[in-house]
Amino acid sequence: EVQLVESGGGLVKPGGSLRLSCAASGFTFSSYSMNWVRQAPGKGLEWVSSISSRSSYIFYADSVKGRFTLSRDNAKNSLYLQMNSLRAEDTAVYYCARDRDYYDSSYNDWGQGTLVTVSS
Amino acid sequence: DIQMTQSPSTLSASVGDRVTITCRASQSISNYLAWYQQKPGEAPKLLIYKASSLESGVPSRFSGSGSGTEFTLTISSLQPDDFATYYCQQYNSYSFTFGPGTKVDIK
Repeated sequence: EVQLVESGGGLVKPGGSLRLSCAASGFTFSSYSMNWVRQAPGKGLEWVSSISSRSSYIFYADSVKGRFTLSRDNAKNSLYLQMNSLRAEDTAVYYCARDRDYYDSSYNDWGQGTLVTVSS
Repeated sequence: DIQMTQSPSTLSASVGDRVTITCRASQSISNYLAWYQQKPGEAPKLLIYKASSLESGVPSRFSGSGSGTEFTLTISSLQPDDFATYYCQQYNSYSFTFGPGTKVDIK
């Protein structure tokens, strides 16, 4: 069974930093592209960032480019999102999600999400 | 970036109704479109990928169609478990934008 477990969320002041982690199990992590999607309270889904299986390609939404850094450690089956210079508008539940397969980049497995709150 | 729109934003329907949600892309995305269902407090769930392919385990009352810039999600006979918010997402080119969502509630 595929499991994606996010951690690292919490309350942080504007301008602060936070590192989110996503621990993967139940599949060959190194074979899949991985992604972060966020959802502000009461709002819709927003794609944040994606990384290919061997970290060859990394993409960011314009709203986080230059502030967030996505990485992965295939030996540890883990995905990371380093978030710097956080703003109030970054407040959201952050979901880790897996590509459906090598040929399709829809997201068929999601974690339960971790809440990031940016507030003074 | 490709912009996604959905209509309607809210849909009131009864159990047994046929429901159709439309998603439009600001430019052609071929068939690289997914549909997700989300219930309050839960992560999204993939329903349809590549515009019309039903994800494993998803009931056959869900179907998707379209290509290019216009797509539809149809629920042939709405069930109590289907009251939720539905999102489309394009994955033709980064950024992989989501539509704003369509909330399906009880009439």
